[in-house]
Amino acid sequence: QKEVEQNSGPLSVPEGAIASLNCTYSDRGSQSFFWYRQYSGKSPELIMFIYSNGDKEDGRFTAQLNKASQYVSLLIRDSQPSDSATYLCAGGFGGSQGNLIFGKGTKLSVKP
Amino acid sequence: EPEVTQTPSHQVTQMGQEVILRCVPISNHLYFYWYRQILGQKVEFLVSFYNNEISEKSEIFDDQFSVERPDGSNFTLKIRSTKLEDSAMYFCASIGTRGPYEQYFGPGTRLTVT
Repeated sequence: QKEVEQNSGPLSVPEGAIASLNCTYSDRGSQSFFWYRQYSGKSPELIMFIYSNGDKEDGRFTAQLNKASQYVSLLIRDSQPSDSATYLCAGGFGGSQGNLIFGKGTKLSVKP
Repeated sequence: EPEVTQTPSHQVTQMGQEVILRCVPISNHLYFYWYRQILGQKVEFLVSFYNNEISEKSEIFDDQFSVERPDGSNFTLKIRSTKLEDSAMYFCASIGTRGPYEQYFGPGTRLTVT
């Protein structure tokens, strides 16, 4: 059974702080991992993907992957109120790695 | 910027009726997906479609569901006999030549079964 687990939160951080979001996965067949942002009533929006162990940075976002521990994280630096959303972690499976297994999401609230 | 479109945005139907949800993926994309999200729950994979056939499907995607790419542009999800528990947001997604690192979701169709 493929599972992706996330702490549902809510996670509340003050504006300008670092928000740290975590997820674990069960299927070692997943090679690619994705962080999506979902605003209420909207579709998931891809923020970052990672497939190699280590860190990957893109602007204010850093994704981290540790395949030995089956652990993925997302750091958001200089958090803004507009970052308030639910963050979904997903693992890819299947030949294309495009079939996504999502976690339940962590709700982030950034307070001005 | 290219985008995945879905119609209708909201569909209300009675239990037992057939519904067809429509999607237009990005034009040069190769892999197509349907996901659903029951209110307050996680996004769930339903089916993937490549080269005009289903490449993988989840346990949710039973005989009540079918997918089709009838004309080279549209991608449809049919639910033959809707149940109350089919009420959810249904998202279509597609992937291009860059692979899963470029998976775009449509805005979704909210299906309400009464």
